[in-house]
Amino acid sequence: QSVLTQPPSASGTPGQRVTISCSGSSSNIGSNYLYWCQLLPGTAPKLLIYRNNQRPSGVPGRFSGSKSGTSASLAISGLRSEDEADYYCAAWDDSLSGWVFGGGTKLTVL
Amino acid sequence: EVQLLESGGGLEQPGGSLRLSCAASGFTFSSYAMSWARQAPGKGLEWVSSLSGSGDNTYYADSVKGRFTISRDNSRNTLSLQMNSLGAEDTAVYYCAKSSYDYVWGTIDYWGQGTLVTVSS
Repeated sequence: QSVLTQPPSASGTPGQRVTISCSGSSSNIGSNYLYWCQLLPGTAPKLLIYRNNQRPSGVPGRFSGSKSGTSASLAISGLRSEDEADYYCAAWDDSLSGWVFGGGTKLTVL
Repeated sequence: EVQLLESGGGLEQPGGSLRLSCAASGFTFSSYAMSWARQAPGKGLEWVSSLSGSGDNTYYADSVKGRFTISRDNSRNTLSLQMNSLGAEDTAVYYCAKSSYDYVWGTIDYWGQGTLVTVSS
């Protein structure tokens, strides 16, 4: 059971906009930054969004993040086949003094 | 270019020990906090442990506290994870990760490719 809650799956067709939610509590999302990373099979996890809504250089503008209270979301617009991957949200938890992750969302591009 | 290369994974029997290493390059290693995370087969990412740039401050997940020890050698740009009393639940791909700050709750901006640890008799 992950501390942060994500839907296990999401899907969309090429060109569509998809959102993935992440919910937590006051000790993690509610009081710290939220991060999103992408996992492709056999590759290193990749940072997609940091500090709630910031994109590292090299991450396409199609990816955007938002946070409100104890929830956050990742939006992917103009969906592409190469976006098919697992997406994880993460935050520092002040009560646990450690990082907590969501259970991951497997995105399928139909 | 930041590079993180994990090594030391393999097959170990229950109750045994393994030591993972992460060779870092492309940045001033001692200036940044580092972490280990893992992904068990078919499961999600799980944070394991983190330590500050100096190595003075360490943090552990409850699932590994008392069994795993994180350390770093800033003269050799190497992060380590000593894993003792291994159980089947420790079977996972272990990732080394870099923070963008000296404190462990800063952005984790780079990850290694991972090393597989299998605990089985």
